[in-house]
Amino acid sequence: GQSLEQPSEVTAVEGAIVQINCTYQTSGFYGLSWYQQHDGGAPTFLSYNGLDGLEETGRFSSFLSRSDSYGYLLLQELQMKDSASYFCAVRLNTGGFKTIFGAGTRLFVKA
Amino acid sequence: KAGVTQTPRYLIKTRGQQVTLSCSPISGHRSVSWYQQTPGQGLQFLFEYFSETQRNKGNFPGRFSGRQFSNSRSEMNVSTLELGDSALYLCASSGTGAGSYNEQFFGPGTRLTVL
Repeated sequence: GQSLEQPSEVTAVEGAIVQINCTYQTSGFYGLSWYQQHDGGAPTFLSYNGLDGLEETGRFSSFLSRSDSYGYLLLQELQMKDSASYFCAVRLNTGGFKTIFGAGTRLFVKA
Repeated sequence: KAGVTQTPRYLIKTRGQQVTLSCSPISGHRSVSWYQQTPGQGLQFLFEYFSETQRNKGNFPGRFSGRQFSNSRSEMNVSTLELGDSALYLCASSGTGAGSYNEQFFGPGTRLTVL
C-alpha cells in the first residue's frame, strides 16, 4: 500500500526555523509536494520536488531524497501567519496521476 | 485569472439521498482532481479527470462517481448518502505544461453534512 509519515504537531517561536519531515512508501513515485492549509481554508501549493535536492522559494525550502524515500519542508523566519497545517503529498504516476496526502503537521508559532 | 470555483459551498442532505457537486477549474486547466477531507481520515484522493477521461480513482465505493465536460468543468456525484460521507469535498485543477502539472490549485470546497 501507499503510506506517508509526518509529525502530527510542531511548535516553534516567531523568527525561528522549523523543519517538517516526511517519509513515504509508495509505488509509482513521481514527486513530492507540500501544501499549506489554514483553518477553514483550502490547501495551497508551496513546493514540488521531482528530483533529489533542495528547492527554495522565499522563506520556504523543500528537500527530497528519492533513495531514502524522504523529504522535508524548511520554514525560516517564522511568522505568526505560518501557523497552519502542512501536508506532504506524493505525486504518483500509475497510468494517470494521483496525489496521496500525508495526515498533516499542525504548526503552532508562538510569540 | 479566476481561481477554482466550487458550488454549492454548503449542503445538508439526509441519509439515502444523492448529491451532485460542481467544480470549475482555472481557465486553461484540463486536469481536475477530487478529494474528500475529514478530521479522521485527512485528505483522500477520489478521482482525477483529464480531457473528459477518468484517469485514476481512489479507494472509494461505487457510490462515488464523477465526470468531466468538454469545457473541463467537473461534477462528482454521491448516491445513497451515508452519515460517514459528511466531509469537505475539495476540487483541484492543474495545468498541462511541464512542471505546472504538479502544482494543484484547490477550490474552497463544498461542506457536505449528512443527517
